[in-house]
Amino acid sequence: AQKITQTQPGMFVQEKEAVTLDCTYDTSDPSYGLFWYKQPSSGEMIFLIYQGSYDQQNATEGRYSLNFQKARKSANLVISASQLGDSAMYFCAMRETYNQGGKLIFGQGTELSVKP
Amino acid sequence: NAGVTQTPKFQVLKTGQSMTLQCAQDMNHNSMYWYRQDPGMGLRLIYYSASEGTTDKGEVPNGYNVSRLNKREFSLRLESAAPSQTSVYFCASSEKTGLAGGLYNEQFFGPGTRLTVL
Repeated sequence: AQKITQTQPGMFVQEKEAVTLDCTYDTSDPSYGLFWYKQPSSGEMIFLIYQGSYDQQNATEGRYSLNFQKARKSANLVISASQLGDSAMYFCAMRETYNQGGKLIFGQGTELSVKP
Repeated sequence: NAGVTQTPKFQVLKTGQSMTLQCAQDMNHNSMYWYRQDPGMGLRLIYYSASEGTTDKGEVPNGYNVSRLNKREFSLRLESAAPSQTSVYFCASSEKTGLAGGLYNEQFFGPGTRLTVL
């Protein structure tokens, strides 16, 4: 079974508008962490934001925020005021505590295109 | 601070050839990882090393071997390359995580190696 699901293979957004990228996850571990990474066309993986399962507030980092709905097992990334440089692949990932190695489980990714 | 470095950046192999992908980090991280990225598949874990001296299989270990040479270096070896191993390979590192450490330890990624097996 998929542990991380990103149902939007591709998204378009107009420059300066906000966009939400969906991520749902599946785990029986009560303690876990959720990450979002950005991969521009140049190929590098850039860490954006983190949310812990016990965090009371939704995480925010600049124009990025995470809409964390624990009961629904969703951790959607919200990008406000989109910029052309936001065009990239975006990956949601999860780390579970039983996993001593700290490995991440990734979703399939969403390709975001920002239109001028 | 170079972060995570990988060599080579590009490689073309013939079926049956062997090669080793090198990875090094200068952040004194305990844990290191090898992922492969295929179109539409996200990143999948091949092998990881939670700490120096240990290695474990990930989701797709078949056809690969790894060596954690020291705390800095973690290499990935393809003994007999197959076309199905054509992919982009990423090495990553992080501080120790899990029950003994924090959940929040972002993984830092290298620039990737683009491997084609003909």
